[in-house]
Amino acid sequence: DAGVTQSPTHLIKTRGQHVTLRCSPISGHKSVSWYQQVLGQGPQFIFQYYEKEERGRGNFPDRFSARQFPNYSSELNVNALLLGDSALYLCASSLVGRATGNTIYFGEGSWLTVV
Amino acid sequence: AQTVTQSQPEMSVQEAETVTLSCTYDTSESDYYLFWYKQPPSRQMILVIRQEAYKQQNATENRFSVNFQKAAKSFSLKISDSQLGDAAMYFCAYRPRGGDYKYIFGTGTRLKVLA
Repeated sequence: DAGVTQSPTHLIKTRGQHVTLRCSPISGHKSVSWYQQVLGQGPQFIFQYYEKEERGRGNFPDRFSARQFPNYSSELNVNALLLGDSALYLCASSLVGRATGNTIYFGEGSWLTVV
Repeated sequence: AQTVTQSQPEMSVQEAETVTLSCTYDTSESDYYLFWYKQPPSRQMILVIRQEAYKQQNATENRFSVNFQKAAKSFSLKISDSQLGDAAMYFCAYRPRGGDYKYIFGTGTRLKVLA
């Protein structure tokens, strides 16, 4: 079975530009979360979507937005890029339910460099 | 606010020896999950082990086990018979059972395995 897949794997953008990152969850998983991992730090929660609705949002500016599609795939959009947005963006999917503990499984991430 | 602290930025262990990575957390919740994730140089976060706070018994997965001390809010990871492939960043993470699905990660411990 395929794991969480993310695209693109690497990209370079210029300050002020916009970026869209994509994620396909594990088959059967209806919840998708996005995390930002700056070099040398642990992942920071950005968004969580379940059944196409936003269920949680981290402490990120409105330049960050996301959505989930009917097939449960997701996009993360970042507008007006800043140098500080350079990071590894991780997507994670999970089954939602008490038995699973909502354990999240990560993709390999999208490396974003803003120059 | 809920926090996760990993006080060991880096640890080293000889191949075949045992090492323990420390993690403490702060929460007012009584029911939650704790996790250890491994992040090798490939950058994909891999679930190592999961602990449910209401379970007294410490979780074990092959060579990996935890020492969960709920009153002390401590959650350490023990790796037995260390292998070269265990070299990676290890992140401790917390998530409350209810509410949103935000995971809170520590800053990580880099584990080096010496041949």
